[in-house]
Amino acid sequence: GAGVSQSPSNKVTEKGKDVELRCDPISGHTALYWYRQRLGQGLEFLIYFQGNSAPDKSGLPSDRFSAERTGESVSTLTIQRTQQEDSAVYLCASSLAGMGTEAFFGQGTRLTVV
Amino acid sequence: SQQGEEDPQALSIQEGENATMNCSYKTSINNLQWYRQNSGRGLVHLILIRSNEREKHSGRLRVTLDTSKKSSSLLITASRAADTASYFCATPTGANSKLTFGKGITLSVRP
Repeated sequence: GAGVSQSPSNKVTEKGKDVELRCDPISGHTALYWYRQRLGQGLEFLIYFQGNSAPDKSGLPSDRFSAERTGESVSTLTIQRTQQEDSAVYLCASSLAGMGTEAFFGQGTRLTVV
Repeated sequence: SQQGEEDPQALSIQEGENATMNCSYKTSINNLQWYRQNSGRGLVHLILIRSNEREKHSGRLRVTLDTSKKSSSLLITASRAADTASYFCATPTGANSKLTFGKGITLSVRP
């Protein structure tokens, strides 16, 4: 595709349910990031995939959060047993080579936990 | 933890005026980037300045980098209402150079 694609655009879920968020990066981009942005706040780093290296999971806020990436393609972010504080926009970005190169962002998934 | 910190947090100017936004960072970097975000969704890359560069221009954007002070500034000249957005600086951080972002600056340009 032409850009980074995220789905769904919006997700409303009940507290305690699990959710899966999907990110399709730009083809050929070896690096993929997930960030969380609460309303009116900055970007909180969650996880970083770079090629075949072990992912940097240092930003995941709890063990309810996990992410996978299949090779250099699609990634899914899973939040188990959602809580109201998980409500935020989840942004995915990819970059050609990681290592601090320009990142291209998707439009995000707005998650609302009720 | 936050690597980049933008200043001010919010800025309101009249159309046609210049807008200056600052970013300070903590550790040594090989580049610094500025991004724009409209309406709380995806960010758009504006400009990247490398650590061996002091100034860079792109259209109405001018970015400076002072590695001795660990700071950068973004200047938008002749601002337009369409420049209203949030602006973030980002730096590669850690051994794997993952991009980390500051908290952002909200710019409002009044018509």
